[in-house]
Amino acid sequence: QVTLRESGPALVKPTQTLTLTCTFSGFSLSTSGMCVSWVRQPPGKALEWLALIDWDDDKYYSTSLKTRLTISKDTSKNQVVLTMTNMDPVDTATYYCARSPNYDILTGYPSFFDYWGQGTLVTVSS
Amino acid sequence: EIVMTQSPATLSVSPGERATLSCRASQSVSSNLAWYQQKPGQAPRLLIYGASTRATGIPARFSGSGSGTEFTLTISSLQSEDFAVYYCQQYNNWPLYTFGQGTKLEIK
Repeated sequence: QVTLRESGPALVKPTQTLTLTCTFSGFSLSTSGMCVSWVRQPPGKALEWLALIDWDDDKYYSTSLKTRLTISKDTSKNQVVLTMTNMDPVDTATYYCARSPNYDILTGYPSFFDYWGQGTLVTVSS
Repeated sequence: EIVMTQSPATLSVSPGERATLSCRASQSVSSNLAWYQQKPGQAPRLLIYGASTRATGIPARFSGSGSGTEFTLTISSLQSEDFAVYYCQQYNNWPLYTFGQGTKLEIK
């Protein structure tokens, strides 16, 4: 049974750094093709992909946010960590982690998200 | 960046009727298109991947079609539990996933 769970602060102040942890079970991030992403959703708005890390420790970031994001993994703990610097009220959102089960055979790129965590709401306010 | 545009923004349909949701990509994404369902307070749930393949456990009333830039999600006979927001997502243009802005399916 695959599960993912996000954890981190519910409230951060502007300019602070946010650190979120995704703890997962039911799969290993050392399995070839496996990836974990972070996706966020501001209240009442659409989903936005932030970052991805794969089994080989390759990392990819949203073009618009790449200077503020760092993604890492601890395979032994089954965890993926996202840090986002210089938080602003517009970063208020529910942050999800999600699994991609493989690289698409034809494109050679990571594929869709088959499992998601329940999300954690992060509010940025002074 | 590939822009995904969903229409309509809101769709009102009666239970038992058919619902057709559209998703258009600003450039070809081949068949690398997924659909997700999201209910209030819940995480998205994968419905369709590869434009037309139902994910594990998804009822047969959900079907996806299309390729290139035009895609459709059809729900053949709406059940009460199907009223939710639906998102399309392309995973063809790497390194950047993009989602549509969502279609809210509401009870008529």
